[in-house]
Amino acid sequence: NAGVTQTPKFRVLKTGQSMTLLCAQDMNHEYMYWYRQDPGMGLRLIHYSVGEGTTAKGEVPDGYNVSRLKKQNFLLGLESAAPSQTSVYFCASSPQGIEAFFGQGTRLTVV
Amino acid sequence: GIQVEQSPPDLILQEGANSTLRCNFSDSVNNLQWFHQNPWGQLINLFYIPSGTKQNGRLSATTVATERYSLLYISSSQTTDSGVYFCAVASGTYKYIFGTGTRLKVLA
Repeated sequence: NAGVTQTPKFRVLKTGQSMTLLCAQDMNHEYMYWYRQDPGMGLRLIHYSVGEGTTAKGEVPDGYNVSRLKKQNFLLGLESAAPSQTSVYFCASSPQGIEAFFGQGTRLTVV
Repeated sequence: GIQVEQSPPDLILQEGANSTLRCNFSDSVNNLQWFHQNPWGQLINLFYIPSGTKQNGRLSATTVATERYSLLYISSSQTTDSGVYFCAVASGTYKYIFGTGTRLKVLA
């Protein structure tokens, strides 16, 4: 039982490049979330999903897209990376929106 | 949206001391969690506590939902307690909103 697994753990991108972050959970949770954490700040919600095939915007959705084609996976895409997207990205899952469990984070640097 | 305020923002303790961290929120919530972010960046679930009191070893938490605050108590602090403590709340939309955290440093 791995919980919430994020891939990759580290990535460096050049401005304008695209990439996809993968979040996988093996707890059969309905809800999944993507957050970003900037230095000295709390986590801010980018997008979330309340079930397979659904997505919704959070607090800071601009510049990101998401997909939830399978219940266990939640993908976060950056179509054209910008330095302002340098951050640590966390994925979380939750059963029915109750207690949330987080992955280990992905450190992304855009140069 | 809901605003979450945590206090104090920074706290330095000697090993063995006790402390209380506070989380205030601006609207009624269905869910509330406390997390510890360790120096390696991992977010560790401490308590899921939308109301009432819970204890786990040296840590305990109390949420008074009607008065819109939660408290995290750390007793007999250890150097391994260092890190950032976050409070996160969610209302009926199931979106967890985080506070900016309390940065704790425990000195040996």
